[in-house]
Amino acid sequence: GQQLNQSPQSMFIQEGEDVSMNCTSSSIFNTWLWYKQEPGEGPVLLIALYKAGELTSNGRLTAQFGITRKDSFLNISASIPSDVGIYFCAGSPSGTYKYIFGTGTRLKVLA
Amino acid sequence: DSGVTQTPKHLITATGQRVTLRCSPRSGDLSVYWYQQSLDQGLQFLIQYYNGEERAKGNILERFSAQQFPDLHSELNLSSLELGDSALYFCASSDGDSGSFRETQYFGPGTRLLVL
Repeated sequence: GQQLNQSPQSMFIQEGEDVSMNCTSSSIFNTWLWYKQEPGEGPVLLIALYKAGELTSNGRLTAQFGITRKDSFLNISASIPSDVGIYFCAGSPSGTYKYIFGTGTRLKVLA
Repeated sequence: DSGVTQTPKHLITATGQRVTLRCSPRSGDLSVYWYQQSLDQGLQFLIQYYNGEERAKGNILERFSAQQFPDLHSELNLSSLELGDSALYFCASSDGDSGSFRETQYFGPGTRLLVL
């Protein structure tokens, strides 16, 4: 099925480091959502973006809706061990009700 | 707790069988989405219902079907099951005004299906 290009696929970082991940698409999106998923659990919404250029923060997390409407990034500052998990981006292509998910970024934080 | 409930949490069945997965959306949400997540894979969109009507379809097999009832709960029916259907199946519900596309999806805990 159709998926977004999400990078990096995985990251191993030291506690306290900042993290950045992004998603790109070949088509224009109306909405970008960022989720975190832990093993055996459902994805939990972190940040929702609805407007090109929008920059939104949620605690140590910051995400932006790219001005071209074809990309988005998520930054995590001062990572802590509980940030471990898989982070997914999701987007809704313009003119559709569907949501397409990225392949995920697997984050491991070393204490 | 997202407010979205799914039952059962686990399901083990044999090839060729049929199962029904159930989802109750968050209070007030009219949209329900179904996703399939295979081992170490991303989420594949299957189908969406809005207020009882099918709204969007993804890569849903013909052996699979879904419906949304008047009380807004939804069921995903999987029939003639194959080994490859083993996966996590998630339901999500959305808030906001779907006409303006400002929807945010909240996921349930999932149903883990194992086909032997």
